[in-house]
Amino acid sequence: DGGITQSPKYLFRKEGQNVTLSCEQNLNHDAMYWYRQDPGQGLRLIYYSQIVNDFQKGDIAEGYSVSREKKESFPLTVTSAQKNPTAFYLCASSPHMNYGYTFGSGTRLTVV
Amino acid sequence: AQSVTQLGSHVSVSEGALVLLRCNYSSSVPPYLFWYVQYPNQGLQLLLKYTSAATLVKGINGFEAEFKKSETSFHLTKPSAHMSDAAEYFCAVSLIQAGTALIFGKGTTLSVSS
Repeated sequence: DGGITQSPKYLFRKEGQNVTLSCEQNLNHDAMYWYRQDPGQGLRLIYYSQIVNDFQKGDIAEGYSVSREKKESFPLTVTSAQKNPTAFYLCASSPHMNYGYTFGSGTRLTVV
Repeated sequence: AQSVTQLGSHVSVSEGALVLLRCNYSSSVPPYLFWYVQYPNQGLQLLLKYTSAATLVKGINGFEAEFKKSETSFHLTKPSAHMSDAAEYFCAVSLIQAGTALIFGKGTTLSVSS
């Protein structure tokens, strides 16, 4: 079955460490996205990519980095520069930018 | 710039009652509009979408929404609530001609009581 897979489901990080969240899709979608979800704040866009080897910052890109070396993969690194990284992170993909998204099941990151 | 406002962060209904979740958008050009549902600790699932065809859009699980340009609204309705409808609902907007990512509202949590 086609879909989008995020791993791990739960992740714990010590302060000062970088961590990478995985996002893989087998839907042959061109566009991929990362959103951060905090209670009462909805989804906020971190980064997005329309094609391989290209990506753009979203509204809250500071402290995050991404790569898009393959069409299927769009990993997100949460760096030590992100001051408040504890949140639920959602990855999504779509055939193109103005189409509905398919979401992964999310990764809950907690700083300990 | 486009934006989305969901009126009411929490809506409570009885089982069998009408569900009405409100969404207003702001956009200087024709938008695409979407409703998503999220169950606890899961990703979002597309309920329905408006892409400039019929103004009344039917989605999954008995939900529907009507695009009203004069009111800049895209409210989500369901005639009869079921316990399984309890979840968080998000409205989202995207511009038709520009390659922009979806902008989401802050969400409305729907509670259904028996």
